Amino acid sequence: ETTVTQSPASLSMAVGEKVSISCKTSTDIDDDMNWYQQKSGEAPKVLISEGNTLRPGVPSRFSSSGYGTDFVFTINNVLLGDEGIYYCQQSDNVPFTFGSGTKLEIK
Amino acid sequence: EIQLQESGPGLVKPSQSLSLTCSVTGYTITSGYDWSWIRKFPGNKMEWMGYISNSGSTNYNPSLKIRISITTDTSKNQFFLQLHSVTTEDTATYYCARRGYTSFDYWGLGVMVTVSS
Repeated sequence: ETTVTQSPASLSMAVGEKVSISCKTSTDIDDDMNWYQQKSGEAPKVLISEGNTLRPGVPSRFSSSGYGTDFVFTINNVLLGDEGIYYCQQSDNVPFTFGSGTKLEIK
Repeated sequence: EIQLQESGPGLVKPSQSLSLTCSVTGYTITSGYDWSWIRKFPGNKMEWMGYISNSGSTNYNPSLKIRISITTDTSKNQFFLQLHSVTTEDTATYYCARRGYTSFDYWGLGVMVTVSS
């Protein structure tokens, strides 16, 4: 099983700042990493899928990079509406596994 | 528009079985893709539990393999989760989701299940 280690656990940012979230995997997963946003009371929403591919309709403020075992998710110019919990998830092998989540608060 | 909706009891007693239904609209589950159950524990940890494919084959998380069953009713376009011998550790919000070619691209809103006597 591939363990996904996500950091930090929480962030408190001001509007306009840049957010960076790290995920490290215990095995090489190529670029089979997905990133989700979950707002309070809503279902998780995929923002970026394998190959660092931005999903249709997702603003270009969101991006990711990484290959192998080290991955970074970035939000440029963070907005109030970006509050929520962000998860990474590897889709290289079963069982699919998630990072522990990063709670983003906007000051 | 593809929509998924979970339903089932919100309270289950320890040692009993948890049974949930996922109703899918806007897409026929036998047409393609895999159909998963995912849960989120208090404290926000997420766990993929397993999936049933569009052809009916299943793949379960080894941590749950002896307790879990995922089945379908294709006539109703629904799929189901059964989790046996539950304990308080199974208290979580349960989501059904479609796995697209890469990611979980459609999710239900989730149903909170508490295991308590």
